[in-house]
Amino acid sequence: DQQVKQNSPSLSVQEGRISILNCDYTNSMFDYFLWYKKYPAEGPTFLISISSIKDKNEDGRFTVFLNKSAKHLSLHIVPSQPGDSAVYFCAASSLFISNFGNEKLTFGTGTRLTIIP
Amino acid sequence: GAGVSQSPSNKVTEKGKDVELRCDPISGHTALYWYRQRLGQGLEFLIYFQGNSAPDKSGLPSDRFSAERTGESVSTLTIQRTQQEDSAVYLCASSLEATAGGYTFGSGTRLTVV
Repeated sequence: DQQVKQNSPSLSVQEGRISILNCDYTNSMFDYFLWYKKYPAEGPTFLISISSIKDKNEDGRFTVFLNKSAKHLSLHIVPSQPGDSAVYFCAASSLFISNFGNEKLTFGTGTRLTIIP
Repeated sequence: GAGVSQSPSNKVTEKGKDVELRCDPISGHTALYWYRQRLGQGLEFLIYFQGNSAPDKSGLPSDRFSAERTGESVSTLTIQRTQQEDSAVYLCASSLEATAGGYTFGSGTRLTVV
């Protein structure tokens, strides 16, 4: 039962263009969402998060959008750079259940983003 | 240390043997997590330690899996009588108690059961 889904296993984008990574979830209890980035042979690193009281959160080149009615979120990277090539994981948790939204994250299967120079 | 350290980085073991994986969290981080990622799947929660509270073991897949943590430092994940389906990358992460912005992962231990 995959509660967090990333339906695109891979995505290729030209340098300088916008990269859009998508994530869908099924559990209506989820109210806190995070994106992680992973390079080969390294652990995932936290990128950006959003709580369900917002529909947008921006940090530099990275913006996360949340559509609660559609149970959908997306990560926009603009402009895309070669160093953005990595696997991106979407994760979700429930602040209703946990204290800080960290204790038990449910992850998607990841999307491999390749930026073409 | 500066980051979360895991050892060994790679482990190949025979089916039926026991293995022990080690995690050194970031100094001062009270929370520690174990996840695993099997091939083609997302990260799967295993267990969570927070200070002196009882750990949340709800993600451990069977009683062959156990984990311990000494105070607020090192943690070991033990898998007894390993099976081929245990093959995965086992990731440890740590965070400060009041951190709501994500936690810091180690590089993982790649376990292969042959």
